[in-house]
Amino acid sequence: DADVTQTPRNRITKTGKRIMLECSQTKGHDRMYWYRQDPGLGLRLIYYSFDVKDINKGEISDGYSVSRQAQAKFSLSLESAIPNQTALYFCATSPSGNTDTQYFGPGTRLTVL
Amino acid sequence: GEDVEQSLFLSVREGDSSVINCTYTDSSSTYLYWYKQEPGAGLQLLTYIFSNMDMKQDQRLTVLLNKKDKHLSLRIADTQTGDSAIYFCAERAPGRRALTFGSGTRLQVQP
Repeated sequence: DADVTQTPRNRITKTGKRIMLECSQTKGHDRMYWYRQDPGLGLRLIYYSFDVKDINKGEISDGYSVSRQAQAKFSLSLESAIPNQTALYFCATSPSGNTDTQYFGPGTRLTVL
Repeated sequence: GEDVEQSLFLSVREGDSSVINCTYTDSSSTYLYWYKQEPGAGLQLLTYIFSNMDMKQDQRLTVLLNKKDKHLSLRIADTQTGDSAIYFCAERAPGRRALTFGSGTRLQVQP
């Protein structure tokens, strides 16, 4: 079984719709992250959480919100989706500590029409 | 600034060595990482190097760090078709709570 899972894996939606992407992990890590990947731009950090009560904006948080429901769950919401939010979204986790090795989920491909 | 830069594409023949390069601007970065992304999958950590090291070797992988020039490279010896993927470098700088990733280098291995 995968340690970091994301649902759904693919989603097509329309402009203005509210979308939630979910991430669950069984690694027991405190830290969780949401990234988006666009061709030629690499990964950009949207939000991150170092524990259930610690939520932080990343470099591109506008238009997104998150919820850390439990240590194992971190969801990303698009309140009103727009076409330039079409991207591949990744959740990642890491243990507390200095090396910051991150473990990634398989990704969610989101298309906003 | 904390930009991490990589060339977008590299093509090599099977059996040759591949060298993927990365430059970063934050000289105080403590850890530097190489991740691999295979088609349709998430990123997977390949290796990392601490900033007080110049080189790290792990089987076919060799990481070289030149702190003076802020240059990181990943050498893959005897490149195989299974090495075809996108390779990302990333840095962890003091005072920043998350990694900064480069744009990724797509490695194409020709048989």
